[in-house]
Amino acid sequence: KQEVTQIPAALSVPEGENLVLNCSFTDSAIYNLQWFRQDPGKGLTSLLLIQSSQREQTSGRLNASLDKSSGRSTLYIAASQPGDSATYLCAVAGNYQLIWGAGTKLIIKP
Amino acid sequence: NAGVTQTPKFQVLKTGQSMTLQCAQDMNHNSMYWYRQDPGMGLRLIYYSASEGTTDKGEVPNGYNVSRLNKREFSLRLESAAPSQTSVYFCASGRDRDEKLFFGSGTQLSVL
Repeated sequence: KQEVTQIPAALSVPEGENLVLNCSFTDSAIYNLQWFRQDPGKGLTSLLLIQSSQREQTSGRLNASLDKSSGRSTLYIAASQPGDSATYLCAVAGNYQLIWGAGTKLIIKP
Repeated sequence: NAGVTQTPKFQVLKTGQSMTLQCAQDMNHNSMYWYRQDPGMGLRLIYYSASEGTTDKGEVPNGYNVSRLNKREFSLRLESAAPSQTSVYFCASGRDRDEKLFFGSGTQLSVL
């Protein structure tokens, strides 16, 4: 059974720092991996989707990598801003079911 | 462009009451999903619909039923609500299983 883990559960950093969020999964047989952002009291917004055949995806200041062999993905955020404060979730796709991590709550201090 | 619209946003039920959560998407997506989100547990899939006319169970289907009314609409019904169903419910849609998911803003449900 696929399990997805995100460590740390919470992270607080000063504005301007580059940071890395981690996501690990136990079964390498995946279709894709997505990173989402969730703001308090709101729905989720898809940030990046990496297909199983890809190694990384980039969007603006965000870069996500995927290493299926080690069961790991990282989300790199460059030059963090207070507006990046949110909970970041990763989800691994197997058939039609996404398996979710519990998320990392990120706080960027001005 | 509305995206995925869920109603209601908040609901309080008494144990044993029934209700239907409505979801509609205007992006012509084939796949639609219902998730619940509980603190510290991540999102869990309740039911999904890969295409109009089909529905399948997810990880936690017990106590729920769904209807894919047409390509746009996917409803979730609680026939006899229980306190264990207190949660935040999200509807999502995607063009295909390999595509990005788009989420509604959620329904916060409390069952007393």
